[in-house]
Amino acid sequence: GNSVTQMEGPVTLSEEAFLTINCTYTATGYPSLFWYVQYPGEGLQLLLKATKADDKGSNKGFEATYRKETTSFHLEKGSVQVSDSAVYFCALYMDSNYQLIWGAGTKLIIKP
Amino acid sequence: DTAVSQTPKYLVTQMGNDKSIKCEQNLGHDTMYWYKQDSKKFLKIMFSYNNKELIINETVPNRFSPKSPDKAHLNLHINSLELGDSAVYFCASSQFVRSYEQYFGPGTRLTVT
Repeated sequence: GNSVTQMEGPVTLSEEAFLTINCTYTATGYPSLFWYVQYPGEGLQLLLKATKADDKGSNKGFEATYRKETTSFHLEKGSVQVSDSAVYFCALYMDSNYQLIWGAGTKLIIKP
Repeated sequence: DTAVSQTPKYLVTQMGNDKSIKCEQNLGHDTMYWYKQDSKKFLKIMFSYNNKELIINETVPNRFSPKSPDKAHLNLHINSLELGDSAVYFCASSQFVRSYEQYFGPGTRLTVT
């Protein structure tokens, strides 16, 4: 079946460090891929998306590239801020079943 | 102007009780969802409605019953609450059933004692 695997957290970094959160997927077909972010005490919100292979999604300094050959969609940011502390969810979407398939979430903690 | 709102935000209750969580969206979306997030932040879909019609019904105990009086509202009723029901419940909506962008409410933290 379709699934998403994310690196386990928490990931703890200092401010201005480089961030990578790994995400790989298994899917039959060609899914669309997403990163959602959940700030403390809030619901999830869409951070960025990529709908086909080699697309790069970007928003708020975060980037992720849809790599079909490695079935990956790693999230990166060049210089993190304390305000980036949140839980990040990788997800895939297949038209065939109308559902977002979610990864387990990765908690990111940024220290000043 | 809250897009997706849920009430209550916190709910503390005893085992065996029956409780409801309400959700409303003012985005004009056709599709609404209920998710359960456990203490490890794992997110699991429970139900989805499209224009008041149930389209996703995952393996959820019969004690959970969703109700959609109109397409802007999706309520969740839980009978005979158990300790394992303690979690954060999120309501979400999307424009269409095939939309991947979902808008989440702030969540309802349910604690069963």
